[in-house]
Amino acid sequence: GIQVEQSPPDLILQEGANSTLRCNFSDSVNNLQWFHQNPWGQLINLFYIPSGTKQNGRLSATTVATERYSLLYISSSQTTDSGVYFCAVYNNDMRFGAGTRLTVKP
Amino acid sequence: GVTQSPTHLIKTRGQQVTLRCSSQSGHNTVSWYQQALGQGPQFIFQYYREEENGRGNFPPRFSGLQFPNDSSELNVNALELDDSALYLCASSSGARTEAFFGQGTRLTVV
Repeated sequence: GIQVEQSPPDLILQEGANSTLRCNFSDSVNNLQWFHQNPWGQLINLFYIPSGTKQNGRLSATTVATERYSLLYISSSQTTDSGVYFCAVYNNDMRFGAGTRLTVKP
Repeated sequence: GVTQSPTHLIKTRGQQVTLRCSSQSGHNTVSWYQQALGQGPQFIFQYYREEENGRGNFPPRFSGLQFPNDSSELNVNALELDDSALYLCASSSGARTEAFFGQGTRLTVV
């Protein structure tokens, strides 16, 4: 089945810093989503982005489907951005990466 | 949105459990995932219009139902300690469209 790799596994930032999270996948996909998992476990939708670039406030994402990767950019990070970020791709079923755990320190 | 019940549950090894999910209005596809501590969610199965539409690498003691009102159940028989996890339900308007998740049910098997 399709493999999804996220990097880095852990990231610690000072408030106000920028960051880039990466998602690589091993095969062509029908869609790709980025999620933020809050401390209570709920997955919050960030982007539905099978290809191209989208922006939502301080967050933006780019998927280059032909090269099988997606990037999530977080600018001017805040402590509330802390948590685990997941990339999930859909081929025959939805596969998640192992996540990037982001800690933003005040 | 997508709602799941109960939020927390403690069961004894060997027992059976039923978890419930109400899909977002207008969604006809529901999927279930198991998330062990420190890992990403793993696909269990998907239902579309009350029929199973794909299954991950889970044994037959994991079963499901989808009802005409697009609500869904996940049933797990003969619970094992390794079944302790967060169980997530997601709904979408099609198998390959954007999925929206509920808050999850945290199951502990003792």
